[in-house]
Amino acid sequence: NAGVTQTPKFQVLKTGQSMTLQCAQDMNHEYMSWYRQDPGMGLRLIHYSVGAGITDQGEVPNGYNVSRSTTEDFPLRLLSAAPSQTSVYFCASSYSLGRGEQYFGPGTRLTVT
Amino acid sequence: DQQVKQNSPSLSVQEGRISILNCDYTNSMFDYFLWYKKYPAEGPTFLISISSIKDKNEDGRFTVFLNKSAKHLSLHIVPSQPGDSAVYFCAASDRRGGATNKLIFGTGTLLAVQP
Repeated sequence: NAGVTQTPKFQVLKTGQSMTLQCAQDMNHEYMSWYRQDPGMGLRLIHYSVGAGITDQGEVPNGYNVSRSTTEDFPLRLLSAAPSQTSVYFCASSYSLGRGEQYFGPGTRLTVT
Repeated sequence: DQQVKQNSPSLSVQEGRISILNCDYTNSMFDYFLWYKKYPAEGPTFLISISSIKDKNEDGRFTVFLNKSAKHLSLHIVPSQPGDSAVYFCAASDRRGGATNKLIFGTGTLLAVQP
């Protein structure tokens, strides 16, 4: 098992550009989520999905879109990048609902200039 | 409004001694608590968890204590090893009223274990 994979590892965008952060898991996990980590802020939930076709907002959803067309993939889209979106982004997945233990990917470091 | 707080940004201990990391929460609806460990340039990895029906959970060198009345939990590492040096995040979840697995994280504590 590769676990949770994220691409790219690093990305630099200019303000206003759009891009998609990719996340995939091969553990057949129902639950997937996206977090961002900023200095002094811990990890904050952006969006999450409890299964294919079902997504919902977390704490900081503005400026981001998600979709879940398959169990394996959960891409995060930045529609129009802003410097405030400079952060490290982590994707996570969990085997079943009701279990908090989540498996995290290695992260994508995004810089918006 | 920070629902999960880790008030110590850093902690330094000697190898072989006990490390105690603390976490406070404000939401009395939280019923499941977890600790994650994070090395630089890697994603967080799950360490240990505790349900609100327990006050202690142990896994090898790691023990988590939960004091519901004080809304406080702590992670004890005994004995501490240099490889334990990492950032430790406390997280909490409210699993009642719909299982969403949403986690609220604290800001983390950087543990440095000195050889």
